[in-house]
Amino acid sequence: SQKIEQNSEALNIQEGKTATLTCNYTNYSPAYLQWYRQDPGRGPVFLLLIRENEKEKRKERLKVTFDTTLKQSLFHITASQPADSATYLCALGAGNMLTFGGGTRLMVKP
Amino acid sequence: EADIYQTPRYLVIGTGKKITLECSQTMGHDKMYWYQQDPGMELHLIHYSYGVNSTEKGDLSSESTVSRIRTEHFPLTLESARPSHTSQYLCASRHSSSETQYFGPGTRLLVL
Repeated sequence: SQKIEQNSEALNIQEGKTATLTCNYTNYSPAYLQWYRQDPGRGPVFLLLIRENEKEKRKERLKVTFDTTLKQSLFHITASQPADSATYLCALGAGNMLTFGGGTRLMVKP
Repeated sequence: EADIYQTPRYLVIGTGKKITLECSQTMGHDKMYWYQQDPGMELHLIHYSYGVNSTEKGDLSSESTVSRIRTEHFPLTLESARPSHTSQYLCASRHSSSETQYFGPGTRLLVL
């Protein structure tokens, strides 16, 4: 069956450092992959999309990579800030559907 | 902020009650989705719609039903709530020309 793995343990980093979050998947061939941010008690907010034929995408301090051979995506936040503290979800897409991972909680300490 | 709204935000009800969770969007999106999310867990798709009068069940078995009579409105109904329905319910929408889903703030449901 399809499986998406994100580190369930919280990632604690110091302000100014680069945060790297991992999304691994099995038994899936997504056409695209998305990253969302979710704050407590709120709905997810879209951050970035990367397609299966793309290796890397950037948006301001955010960078996402997509390796369809390793079945892995890495999500980087450079120069992290306390305001970046949230849960980050990866979602695999095919057609009109998204399948979400359980998310990784990021804590950025001042 | 996305123009997608959910009411109520919080609901505490007794077992056996009928409830309707409301979801409306003003972005003219044709596709709408309902997800269920338990704390710290992944989102599970329970219903989706590709347009007016189109509804389908998602991957997660759910005892709820949905309707799509108007483009902007996608309510979810539980005929007889049970404690196992306690969860957060998230509504989302997207336009056919984009893969991005826009989420509402969610309804947190507690069934006693």
